[in-house]
Amino acid sequence: QKEVEQDPGPLSVPEGAIVSLNCTYSNSAFQYFMWYRQYSRKGPELLMYTYSSGNKEDGRFTAQVDKSSKYISLFIRDSQPSDSATYLCAMSGRGGGSQGNLIFGKGTKLSVKP
Amino acid sequence: ETGVTQSPTHLIKTRGQQVTLRCSSQSGHNTVSWYQQALGQGPQFIFQYYREEENGRGNFPPRFSGLQFPNYSSELNVNALELDDSALYLCASSLAKLAGGSDTQYFGPGTRLTVL
Repeated sequence: QKEVEQDPGPLSVPEGAIVSLNCTYSNSAFQYFMWYRQYSRKGPELLMYTYSSGNKEDGRFTAQVDKSSKYISLFIRDSQPSDSATYLCAMSGRGGGSQGNLIFGKGTKLSVKP
Repeated sequence: ETGVTQSPTHLIKTRGQQVTLRCSSQSGHNTVSWYQQALGQGPQFIFQYYREEENGRGNFPPRFSGLQFPNYSSELNVNALELDDSALYLCASSLAKLAGGSDTQYFGPGTRLTVL
């Protein structure tokens, strides 16, 4: 079993739809949870950063972490064609940056149709 | 504030050759991590450098090596290239917070390496 599982999709939705992306993980030591967006042939861009369980909202994006179920989600409201990208979940047992390496899911490819 | 930059953008090598990839960290950051991203996969951690010392390594053979310089820029060297080394190589920089707490990794655009 991989440490982080993420459905690779592809996921296709109409413009304006609510998108739900999720990852499951097996390592209970993970405390820091991130979502990155990666456009084709570009580097990942940090979207959301969450510590431990709970919700975090930033504009159209909401990240949820349920440590008891080892399940994290990213919701995108009012999706736009510019949201079309691959979304990567990542997690770490320590402070995400120099205090620990990131473990990534495979990424979910999202396409938002006008 | 300048972001993370990497060079070159693309590179084509043949099997058995050696390659050096370069990364300039974001202004104010002192830690650099390198990742390998194969097509259709998530990035995989290669190693991390903090204050010019290796500070953690993933499951990669010794022919993957690195350096960090006093200005916190970094190099990734790969010897004896294999076909499976073809991938996007990503550099990420961060600021170590020695007192703990969260710090985040910011990625560069990557170097796409093709091994023929």
